[in-house]
This record gives sequence, C-alpha cells and structure tokens, in this order.
Amino acid sequence: AQSVTQLGSHVSVSEGALVLLRCNYSSSVPPYLFWYVQYPNQGLQLLLKYTSAATLVKGINGFEAEFKKSETSFHLTKPSAHMSDAAEYFCAVSDPFRNSGNTPLVFGKGTRLSVIA
Amino acid sequence: EAGVTQSPTHLIKTRGQQATLRCSPISGHTSVYWYQQALGLGLQFLLWYDEGEERNRGNFPPRFSGRQFPNYSSELNVNALELEDSALYLCASSLAQRQGVDTQYFGPGTRLTVL
Repeated sequence: AQSVTQLGSHVSVSEGALVLLRCNYSSSVPPYLFWYVQYPNQGLQLLLKYTSAATLVKGINGFEAEFKKSETSFHLTKPSAHMSDAAEYFCAVSDPFRNSGNTPLVFGKGTRLSVIA
Repeated sequence: EAGVTQSPTHLIKTRGQQATLRCSPISGHTSVYWYQQALGLGLQFLLWYDEGEERNRGNFPPRFSGRQFPNYSSELNVNALELEDSALYLCASSLAQRQGVDTQYFGPGTRLTVL
C-alpha cells in the first residue's frame, strides 16, 4: 500500500533562508509524486509533480524537488523564503490504475511553513 | 480557463440531516475525486468518479455517496450527519490520462459544519 511521511508538522524559517520540506514515500511501483500548497481557507494548488521524466523537478514560485529512488524521498526546496510562502504544504503519491487514470492521491499529513521577517 | 468550482462555500447542518455538495470539473476533465480534510485527520480520499461510474471508494461508511452527471459534474451526499463529519470537502478533477501521470486539480472546497 502507498504511504507518505512528511517529517516535521511545522517548519519555521527566516525570510531569505533556505526552505527544506521533507517527504518520504512507499509504493510498490514507480510512483507519481506531487507537492501541493494550501493557503488558509483555500483549496490545494499544485506546486510541482514528478513523472519520471527528470529527477529534479522545477515548480511554481521558485520551488523545486528532487526524486531520489534510493532514499524513497521527494524533498521540496526553495533557495530563499518569502513571506508569501507561509502556508501548509502537502506531499502526495499516486500510481497508474488499470489504464484508466491514476489511483487517488495518498497525502502526507502536511507541513506548516512559517516565515519570520 | 475556469478551474474546479464547488458549491456551496459553507454549509451548516444539524446532526441527522443530509448534506449535498456539488462540484464542476475543469472543462474537458472526465474524472472527479472527493477528499475530506478533517481537523487532525489530514486529507483522506472519499470517492472517485470517471465517465459517470464510481471507480474507487475510500474507507468511509455507505452514508457517504455520490454520483457523476453526463456533463461530468458531481454531487457528494452525506446522509445522517454526525458531528465528526464537520470538515472541508475538496473536489478535484483530472483528464483521466490512460497512460502516464494524471494530475488532479483542486477546487476551493466546501466547509461543512455539523451542529
């Protein structure tokens, strides 16, 4: 069965500092991996996705993530945090499903990012 | 291009009542997924519809049900509401790519409060 573990329910960084949000997954087949961001009282916005085309994936708002099969990880990074990055971040995994799309997303519990001025 | 839309934004019900939530997918998307985001429980998969049929169901009781209409919009029904059903209900749509990654795009959610 698929599962996702996000280390750290809350991460706090200073404005301009490196952002590192950790995600480890388990899956029986090569998975598809996603990072979503949720701002207060809003739905989820796709940040980036891993589709096996490249191990380093660039997303929106300056975020990127690297797929490391040997570590079963897909950590999210951003070189310089901005106040507007404060939000909840979710890592998710899905698999191909019987030639009819992908399995429903399995989410990690989320990491709340705070950015200190 | 319009995104996924959900209605209503907020819904307040009392225990034992029924709630109906609605979702309109992105134009051209045939798959609709429903997720529940309850405090302390994270995001959990509820139901998946594609081409009008239920494809998969999460670990929820039968009083959670839904359907997908010919225009691919979807409805989630929750019968015999319980206090713990209070949550943000998120709808997502996708193209149902037969091969490769099939990205889900989310709506803003419906906040259901059960009193």
